[in-house]
Amino acid sequence: EVQLVQSGAEVKKPGESLKISCKGSGYSFTSYWIGWVRQMPGKGLEWMGIIYPGDSDTRYSPSFQGQVTISADKSISTAYLQWSSLKASDTAMYYCARAPNLYGMDVWGQGTTVTVSS
Amino acid sequence: EIVLTQSPGTLSLSPGERATLSCRASQSVSSSYLAWYQQKPGQAPRLLIYGASSRATGIPDRFSGSGSGTDFTLTISRLEPEDFAVYYCQQYGSSSWTFGQGTKVEIK
Repeated sequence: EVQLVQSGAEVKKPGESLKISCKGSGYSFTSYWIGWVRQMPGKGLEWMGIIYPGDSDTRYSPSFQGQVTISADKSISTAYLQWSSLKASDTAMYYCARAPNLYGMDVWGQGTTVTVSS
Repeated sequence: EIVLTQSPGTLSLSPGERATLSCRASQSVSSSYLAWYQQKPGQAPRLLIYGASSRATGIPDRFSGSGSGTDFTLTISRLEPEDFAVYYCQQYGSSSWTFGQGTKVEIK
């Protein structure tokens, strides 16, 4: 079964750093793009960026460029989303999803809730 | 960046009725790289349609997608109780993908 399993909920203070993860299984991790999507409380979906674990080619939404870092460790089939200095406005649910060429985002992780509060 | 505008914001319908959701792009979507997703409360989004008109694996045939260029439509031929949810379109034909703001299909 193709699965993406995300790391657990996080509660952080403003200014702290954070790295959340997304582990793929049941398919060739290096052959599919992995994307990250933000959903703020009660709001819609926002595409943040995407990485190809095979060669670490990474693309960012202009809205998130410089605000987060997307990376991957193909040796453990895991993609990451990280912040160096969190803000309260980073409070949201974050989803990872597999993105085969031509097919949109076909398999989604369960989501990671990030709460940033002093 | 391509902006996707979905309409209407909310659609109030009864089970058995037909739902027609619109997604308009600010510029042409390359090669019809347009997808539709369904999201229910507390759940991750689910891919319904890719390539503007191809149903994803396991999606019932009451869901259909159409359109090209800048205008796309998701049609649910006869609403089932489990279809009441929020629907998003997404374009993935440019280097920066984007989602529409969503259409909520609610029970009338």
